[in-house]
Amino acid sequence: GENVEQHPSTLSVQEGDSAVIKCTYSDSASNYFPWYKQELGKRPQLIIDIRSNVGEKKDQRIAVTLNKTAKHFSLHITETQPEDSAVYFCAPNSGGSNYKLTFGKGTLLTVNP
Amino acid sequence: GAVVSQHPSWVICKSGTSVKIECRSLDFQATTMFWYRQFPKQSLMLMATSNEGSKATYEQGVEKDKFLINHASLTLSTLTVTSAHPEDSSFYICSAIYRDRAIYEQYFGPGTRLTVT
Repeated sequence: GENVEQHPSTLSVQEGDSAVIKCTYSDSASNYFPWYKQELGKRPQLIIDIRSNVGEKKDQRIAVTLNKTAKHFSLHITETQPEDSAVYFCAPNSGGSNYKLTFGKGTLLTVNP
Repeated sequence: GAVVSQHPSWVICKSGTSVKIECRSLDFQATTMFWYRQFPKQSLMLMATSNEGSKATYEQGVEKDKFLINHASLTLSTLTVTSAHPEDSSFYICSAIYRDRAIYEQYFGPGTRLTVT
């Protein structure tokens, strides 16, 4: 099965700074790489995803970069705001018909005003 | 679009009783749904894959006789926790696969907080 490691486990930044979270996976067949944001007591929300035919995707202040050779992908948040404070999970998926996601352990991001 | 609901949002039950949680895809049909469990300050752990019209596939270590899953229609999957015990207290989250041609995404329900006393 897929082994997923996510770093760091906690990240504290000042408002306006950038934050980067890295996810390493083991299954070379993985072809879908989403990032989820989860606020306390709420459902995970998909914030950005990338598929294996591209190396980078950006959506306003959020970007995801993918290095398939090294089997890792990263979440980049620029100009962080207090409302970005949450737990972020990567969840690579090997695609195919099973759609199964393997979640990383999560990164608690705190943006200090 | 692509909304997934869960019911109830929270439930308290006594040890030894059974609890049923419903997961519905409100505006799309989902042949595949998933059930996750999340303990405080931990990640989501996949419990089982629910396939419409067939038996669920359970992850290693998950007791299929304790966590009964039924996916009787394309918009509804249920999880029944049988003979619940305090250690079953957790946040249970379902998700449904939304497909649009070759693209698919997984949408999550709001979760059900189960407390067993």
